[in-house]
Amino acid sequence: SQKIEQNSEALNIQEGKTATLTCNYTNYSPAYLQWYRQDPGRGPVFLLLIRENEKEKRKERLKVTFDTTLKQSLFHITASQPADSATYLCALFNSGNTPLVFGKGTRLSVIA
Amino acid sequence: GAVVSQHPSWVICKSGTSVKIECRSLDFQATTMFWYRQFPKQSLMLMATSNEGSKATYEQGVEKDKFLINHASLTLSTLTVTSAHPEDSSFYICSAGTSKKTQYFGPGTRLLVL
Repeated sequence: SQKIEQNSEALNIQEGKTATLTCNYTNYSPAYLQWYRQDPGRGPVFLLLIRENEKEKRKERLKVTFDTTLKQSLFHITASQPADSATYLCALFNSGNTPLVFGKGTRLSVIA
Repeated sequence: GAVVSQHPSWVICKSGTSVKIECRSLDFQATTMFWYRQFPKQSLMLMATSNEGSKATYEQGVEKDKFLINHASLTLSTLTVTSAHPEDSSFYICSAGTSKKTQYFGPGTRLLVL
């Protein structure tokens, strides 16, 4: 059956450390994958998009990797700050820009 | 960046009434918008794809007669929850895509049916 999983429901890390979030999927063939940030009671905010033929993408303190063999994406936040505390969602999309599925999200807490 | 708005941001209604939620792309045109529902601590569940000028495409298990979608223009899509019941209480979010494959989400509408 088709499935998407984010490694943990919650992750606590110390300020200044690198946070690594995992997104695994099975029985999907996405054209690209996106990561979003969602704050409580708000809609998701787009962070990064990575295509199936790309290995890595960076944006400021954020880095995303995409391994279509392992069917896994890793999302890294370097030099984490308390303001980075939020829920992070991964989502798979097909080539027609139609969302396939969203993960449940990982709630990240950065402790000062 | 592209901005998507939703109105209202929250609504409380009595069971059996209908509620309309608007989704607008403020600074870009969206031929396609998406409607999602999100329950507490759950992922976003795609309900339907709203296409400008044509009928919406509903995901399996979503009742099209209960969740009416109208995409009247390139900047406006509406979702009407008809004869709402307490189990319809949820967080409803719309999104619109751009040519760069980026999805921009609205701020969401929290619906509480008493």
